[in-house]
This record gives sequence, C-alpha cells and structure tokens, in this order.
Amino acid sequence: GAVVSQHPSWVICKSGTSVKIECRSLDFQATTMFWYRQFPKQSLMLMATSNEGSKATYEQGVEKDKFLINHASLTLSTLTVTSAHPEDSSFYICSARDRRQGNSPLHFGNGTRLTVT
Amino acid sequence: AQSVTQLGSHVSVSEGALVLLRCNYSSSVPPYLFWYVQYPNQGLQLLLKYTTGATLVKGINGFEAEFKKSETSFHLTKPSAHMSDAAEYFCAVSDGNDYKLSFGAGTTVTVRA
Repeated sequence: GAVVSQHPSWVICKSGTSVKIECRSLDFQATTMFWYRQFPKQSLMLMATSNEGSKATYEQGVEKDKFLINHASLTLSTLTVTSAHPEDSSFYICSARDRRQGNSPLHFGNGTRLTVT
Repeated sequence: AQSVTQLGSHVSVSEGALVLLRCNYSSSVPPYLFWYVQYPNQGLQLLLKYTTGATLVKGINGFEAEFKKSETSFHLTKPSAHMSDAAEYFCAVSDGNDYKLSFGAGTTVTVRA
C-alpha cells in the first residue's frame, strides 16, 4: 500500500537553531501534502497545506516565516522550523494523498518528535 | 466549515467486550468521515471511511461505523475488544474537495485483561 515516510523520526535541537523535517511519498505522487502539529494528549492541528510548485497555504495563527514549507517535487515536502524555541517542541505529522485516486484517503507519516532544549 | 466532537476522552473496556466510540460532526456540505487509530509515537492509520453509498462501513481490525445523517453521527464499534486495540482513536471530517481534515479531540481506549 501507499507509504509516506517522515524523517527524522525524532530530533533534539538547541534553542535558536533550525530543523528540517522531510515528508516523502514513496510509491505515489502527491500534489498536496498536509502538515499537522500534535501536542501531548491532544488532537492534530492542521498547520498548512503544501502544494507542489506553489506556495503553501497556512492556517490562521501559524507563522509562515517560522514554519517554512517547501514542496519542490511530487514526492517531497519539507517543513523547516526556524529559530526553534522550547515552545516549538511537539509531534509533527505529515500526510499526503495519491493524486491519481480521486477519493483516496490521506496517508500519514509516522511523525517527527521535535524537542528544543 | 466542518467540526467533530468525540464524546468521552477516555474509554476503558474489558477484553472481549464491546467497544463503542462516539463521534458527532458538523458540516455544511455532505461530509466525508473517517476514523483513524494512533499508537504511541506513531502517525495515524486509517481504520475506515465514509464518503457516499452504504452507511454501514466496515474497516480493518474488526471495526465498523455507521453514518447516521439524521443524528449527524459516525460512531465506531467493535464487537469484541482485544488488548491490541489499546490506542488513541480520532474521528475526522472533510468536505471532500480539498481533503483538509478536521479532527476530533481523540479518545483513548484502554483494554483490561
């Protein structure tokens, strides 16, 4: 079945540094990918919609300059957390949909646990 | 706009007992409805989905859900709980056009031996 790979699965970084998270669709092409953030014991909150070849669409309240999204190809979207601070520590999850299948469900990556010290 | 309410943040069942997770939705258009399961430190796995057609949807691992438009509900059930069913369960809704999902707050299921 369709697989979405997220890398890294966990990362620890120092405050003020930037971290890049990759989301790859391994056996399908995805014109659209979604980035979510999940705090402990809470639901997933949509951060942004990543569109191949164009700018990402951010949800209200999400700082686009802090969470940079690049969707350079049909199989790869990246989320860069710039100048990370401890409050950015969270579980980040991406999802993607196979563009060939009109009603296909979203496929989720296994998430990236970010800890900012 | 769409939204989802999951009643009960935590459900505890005995092994072999019925699992019932409640989900009510709000949508201005015919909804697409989903149930996902999440194990610790992992992403989400689709259990089942409703788009159109038959209102009783069967999913993986013995789960099923019934879409009831009159009640705006999409409750998830499993006749007999297994220890491996212990996880976090999320109900989600989308309008189908852009596949942006709105998730409920989640329900944690624990299974007692």
